[in-house]
Amino acid sequence: QSVLTQPPSVSGAPGQRVTISCIGSSSNIGAGYDVHWYQQFPGTAPKLLIYGNTNRPSGVPDRFSGSKSATSASLVISGLQPEDEADYHCHSYDTLSGYVFGTGTMVSVL
Amino acid sequence: QVQLQESGPGLVKPSQTLSLTCTVSGGSIVSSSYFYTWVRQPAGKGLEWIGRVYTSGSTDYNPSLKSRVTISVDTSKNQFFLRLSSVTAVDTAVYYCARVLHRAFDLWGQGTVVTVSS
Repeated sequence: QSVLTQPPSVSGAPGQRVTISCIGSSSNIGAGYDVHWYQQFPGTAPKLLIYGNTNRPSGVPDRFSGSKSATSASLVISGLQPEDEADYHCHSYDTLSGYVFGTGTMVSVL
Repeated sequence: QVQLQESGPGLVKPSQTLSLTCTVSGGSIVSSSYFYTWVRQPAGKGLEWIGRVYTSGSTDYNPSLKSRVTISVDTSKNQFFLRLSSVTAVDTAVYYCARVLHRAFDLWGQGTVVTVSS
């Protein structure tokens, strides 16, 4: 039972902008804990995509960006590419549960 | 470069104990910046945090699994470990070990499939 809620799927045409939401509560995102995002291709391990709400690790394209507000966070892919088709997971810390993940979002490129 | 690799039995019988090892290579596991964690993912489902261990040996666990989980570390072998007791079919999953920096899981192992079945 995930504590952070994401849409099951989002889709877009190549070049379009897509947004994935991550809705939490006052015991996690709303408590001031950072949100991180991971990209996961089928059969592979998750890869850190965004850390500390807005920061990209070295090598992550700048079309990926993150933001945080109140009890939610968002991941934006600006200029969707075919290779972005994957699952995306948000992640934070919860005062009651420890580390928590989102329900996961499948991104499809039309 | 640093890599993490999980190892252990792929099949565990119900009621028995699941035991996995994560080996850190390409660098020392001992660091003031990092600690280490286990995460699992049932087929077709989301990620679930299991617990974390500092290289001092201090641990924290997911409250929902706390009664069955033990995580430990052996810095001399550059390894940390997961033990999950009294397993049932719901514990069938891909198990990942990962490194933690500022609460972000910045480096992951490739994962190992564990099936609970008689």
